[in-house]
Amino acid sequence: AQSVTQLGSHVSVSEGALVLLRCNYSSSVPPYLFWYVQYPNQGLQLLLKYTSAATLVKGINGFEAEFKKSETSFHLTKPSAHMSDAAEYFCAVSDNRYKLSFGAGTTVTVRA
Amino acid sequence: KAGVTQTPRYLIKTRGQQVTLSCSPISGHRSVSWYQQTPGQGLQFLFEYFSETQRNKGNFPGRFSGRQFSNSRSEMNVSTLELGDSALYLCASSSTGVANSPLHFGNGTRLTVT
Repeated sequence: AQSVTQLGSHVSVSEGALVLLRCNYSSSVPPYLFWYVQYPNQGLQLLLKYTSAATLVKGINGFEAEFKKSETSFHLTKPSAHMSDAAEYFCAVSDNRYKLSFGAGTTVTVRA
Repeated sequence: KAGVTQTPRYLIKTRGQQVTLSCSPISGHRSVSWYQQTPGQGLQFLFEYFSETQRNKGNFPGRFSGRQFSNSRSEMNVSTLELGDSALYLCASSSTGVANSPLHFGNGTRLTVT
């Protein structure tokens, strides 16, 4: 079964600093990978998805992720953090059986 | 376009009772899936339906069941509630449910079992 591992359950950054969230996947074939964000008391919102068209994927709210097959990674970055980026972020992989497998999540706090 | 709608938003039930949660997908979406989110286990897949057929089921006991109607609306039912069933239950819809089709999530139903 495919799975993802998110390194770091909690990340704290200063406003204006780089946000880097790490995700590694285990897959024997090129996977479909996603990043979702969850704000308090809300569902998950899609940030971006990788579907093999391009290794650098741009998403909403200034986020982007780079697919690196050699490192089996799909890290999420944002050059300059904003207070509104405080949320929980989930990396997910699709297993072609109509479901997503999610990582444990990384909570981002932004310091003023 | 309206998003995924889940009702109710909050539920409080007692152990041993049963509960039914409802989900209305985005118009035109035929795939509906359900996930359970808890602090300890994270996000876990419950089941997925497409055109009223269950195509996949997660590793949950038989007390958890679901169904999908001809208008793509879905319900999930949990019988004989246990304290451990307290969780946020998330419904998601997509156009096809296949691997590269992103899921669109509702805001969830927060179930508390006392």
